[in-house]
Amino acid sequence: DAGITQSPRHKVTETGTPVTLRCHQTENHRYMYWYRQDPGHGLRLIHYSYGVKDTDKGEVSDGYSVSRSKTEDFLLTLESATSSQTSVYFCAISETKAGYEQYFGPGTRLTVT
Amino acid sequence: GDSVTQMEGPVTLSEEAFLTINCTYTATGYPSLFWYVQYPGEGLQLLLKATKADDKGSNKGFEATYRKETTSFHLEKGSVQVSDSAVYFCALSGGGGSQGNLIFGKGTKLSVKP
Repeated sequence: DAGITQSPRHKVTETGTPVTLRCHQTENHRYMYWYRQDPGHGLRLIHYSYGVKDTDKGEVSDGYSVSRSKTEDFLLTLESATSSQTSVYFCAISETKAGYEQYFGPGTRLTVT
Repeated sequence: GDSVTQMEGPVTLSEEAFLTINCTYTATGYPSLFWYVQYPGEGLQLLLKATKADDKGSNKGFEATYRKETTSFHLEKGSVQVSDSAVYFCALSGGGGSQGNLIFGKGTKLSVKP
């Protein structure tokens, strides 16, 4: 299994509070991704990174920011959490971008009350 | 942009039944195609892939053939087991309209009864 961990694995927070989710990899892969999974929507890309300090927006980036200061860590921040951001968040990594498989972390279940 | 459409579930089968989960795609260029599986409470795992037309991906008894003429990548298994109960996602990458990112279908939940 690819070495990908996510923390925390579960979190309950209140509307309006900031939340940061962490993804850590030990594979030295260049690309890292954040997805959210919601019933009826499959997985949707939030942001991705193609190197240290290099990030770009995905399909559903509004309300989220990311940072990557080291190859192994990719942080997802909800500046002011809303109930619509209740979801399961997955981190993924890949060696290259186009045409290559991605390896997924175990997920973080976030509930915003 | 690129997109993936897969059959809606849930799909309920008896053990040893034949499984087909349909997947069709829309993409420019020559994407790679994937099937991922998600077991309860876990992240997604790559099940199989195909990178060019007529390629057949296979793993754990599952198969899928990249059909460019019908833009399809249907997942099949000849005899399902209870342990195959999971959510299956079809995905593509490398199409001209996806910016190289993985584009997922909405997933199909499979339940296999003993």
